[in-house]
Amino acid sequence: IQLTQSPSSLSASVGDRVTITCRASQGISSSLAWYQQKPGKAPKLLIYSASTLQTGVPSRFGGSGSGTDFTLTISSLQPEDFATYFCLQCYTYPLTFGGGTKVEIK
Amino acid sequence: EVQLVESGGGLVQPGGSLRLSCTASGFTLSDHHIDWVRQTPGKGLEWVARSRNKARSYTTEYAASVKGRFTISRHDSESSLYLQMNSLKTEDTAVYYCARYNSNFYIEYWGQGTLVTVSS
Repeated sequence: IQLTQSPSSLSASVGDRVTITCRASQGISSSLAWYQQKPGKAPKLLIYSASTLQTGVPSRFGGSGSGTDFTLTISSLQPEDFATYFCLQCYTYPLTFGGGTKVEIK
Repeated sequence: EVQLVESGGGLVQPGGSLRLSCTASGFTLSDHHIDWVRQTPGKGLEWVARSRNKARSYTTEYAASVKGRFTISRHDSESSLYLQMNSLKTEDTAVYYCARYNSNFYIEYWGQGTLVTVSS
């Protein structure tokens, strides 16, 4: 299953609403997770089961979708949110990742 | 606190071998599926292999790109898991992460990664 993530990069300002999409090449139910990664660090889980917020993750992060189309939304971008974001499908082997979206400061 | 710590990375020549280790703490290793995932600047994140938990008889899965060359094993009594990598290719150069899988279809915890460089 291929995951097509868009955009590959974006520039935004603090306080902006940001939306990242992940499209699967075939249906994956709700078996999608979103991660944040900062340079030199491991990915950090934000959202699982497409829309469930991981414990400790700020509520400005939200996920939606099922089947083939998924969205990660950051409702009000904060300085610590500038990072790269990935989606991951665990519906079937091999597990696959989206290509990533780099969120940069405008 | 759940922790995963990888070690064993380094520089190896094409065709060579390397064994990565993943040491787990803060949870019972035998209860969980563990994945290896690698990351390169060019290709991004790639799932490599899985070792299922004791309840699933420690069965394994591999990505097509490494099947027949990489072998995952574990010693639960030592809270350790290993990735034996043989016949290494330049395209295996990456940061390798071990990660704990959650049965609700997501990877929950990641180690800090270990760099493997395959070059002559």
